[in-house]
Amino acid sequence: DQQVKQNSPSLSVQEGRISILNCDYTNSMFDYFLWYKKYPAEGPTFLISISSIKDKNEDGRFTVFLNKSAKHLSLHIVPSQPGDSAVYFCAASTEIGATNKLIFGTGTLLAVQP
Amino acid sequence: GAGVSQSPRYKVAKRGQDVALRCDPISGHVSLFWYQQALGQGPEFLTYFQNEAQLDKSGLPSDRFFAERPEGSVSTLKIQRTQQEDSAVYLCASSSPKAGAHNEQFFGPGTRLTVL
Repeated sequence: DQQVKQNSPSLSVQEGRISILNCDYTNSMFDYFLWYKKYPAEGPTFLISISSIKDKNEDGRFTVFLNKSAKHLSLHIVPSQPGDSAVYFCAASTEIGATNKLIFGTGTLLAVQP
Repeated sequence: GAGVSQSPRYKVAKRGQDVALRCDPISGHVSLFWYQQALGQGPEFLTYFQNEAQLDKSGLPSDRFFAERPEGSVSTLKIQRTQQEDSAVYLCASSSPKAGAHNEQFFGPGTRLTVL
């Protein structure tokens, strides 16, 4: 039972254009969402997060949008750069249970073409 | 160092062997998590420590998996009688929780375990 889904295994974008990575979730108790970026042979690196009380959070070239009614979030990268090429994981957590463990999607491989 | 470190980075074990994986969290981080990442999948939660207390071990797949953090800093994940299905990358993460708030987790580079 996949509670966090990333339905696009891969995405290819031209340098300078917008990259949009999508994520859907099923558990309405999730109240915090994060995006991680992962290069080969390295651990995931935190990128940006959003609380369920917001619908948008922006940090430089990265913006995350949350649509709670649709249980959908997206990560926008503008402009895309070749160094952004990596696997992007969407993750969610809930304060219920007090663990704050992260539930991850399966990842989307982004390739930014020069 | 400033980040989470894990050792060894790579481990090859014969089926039936015991292995021990080490995690050094960021200094002062109270929370420590272990995740298992199979090929082509996202990380999956195994267990959680707050200081030395193991508060959640709901993700451990069997009683062959055991984790400890005796002094509230370094943690060890032990797998007994390894099986081929244990082959995965084992990730450790730490965070410094603020009361009533979520906190991002900082991940180490992982240990890639291959069971032959």
